[in-house]
Amino acid sequence: QAGLTQPPSVSKDLRQTATLTCTGNSNNVGNQGAAWLQQHQGHPPKLLFYRNNNRPSGISERFSASRSGNTASLTITGLQPEDEADYYCSTWDSSLSAVVFGGGTKLTVL
Amino acid sequence: EVQLVESGGDLVLPGGSLRLSCAASGFTFSDHYMDWVRQAPGKGLQWVGRSRNKANSYTTEYAASVKGRFTISRDDSKSSLYLQMNSLKTEDTAVYYCVRLCASPKDFEYWGQGTLVTVSS
Repeated sequence: QAGLTQPPSVSKDLRQTATLTCTGNSNNVGNQGAAWLQQHQGHPPKLLFYRNNNRPSGISERFSASRSGNTASLTITGLQPEDEADYYCSTWDSSLSAVVFGGGTKLTVL
Repeated sequence: EVQLVESGGDLVLPGGSLRLSCAASGFTFSDHYMDWVRQAPGKGLQWVGRSRNKANSYTTEYAASVKGRFTISRDDSKSSLYLQMNSLKTEDTAVYYCVRLCASPKDFEYWGQGTLVTVSS
């Protein structure tokens, strides 16, 4: 099944800002938005943002999400060592009647 | 506190079968959609399928890669979700996660710790 497109890796310096992207089409990101998940090595994923760009309780305000057309973005400001993780986007694809994921972006904080 | 505990993962031969279980607690199980998501070693997340709630007639959806081989069921009286996997292939090797979706939008809100399924001869 066709998935969402994410850059495989992003590297940024400590305390800098990282913006991760997730590109789909009009059947998924374009009309549904995208949720964002964070996964640290050896742990299950954790929801960072709902598709409506709302943040679950307990998620740092350093994280923000937005969407423009078929591309969703996750921005992390003031990068900290604990932000180093894999980040996935996901949404429902109305043409496939299936959930689609991005391939994930590995964020490295230098 | 929401808890999801998967069990049943094992080493199985190609062509074999396995049944995974997910015991849920801390919420009204019958109200929620539940999904299975898997992750092959060193790889990304892959959706397996969905069980809708009672209000939506317990309908199911499956990824194309598992349709016809995997079956999702649930027992609301036991707050449990199941994944029956038949005709297993080596590419089904993965950690399988049980996931609770939020009411709206239907996003992956709570995850279990996962159970490892290894398909190998």
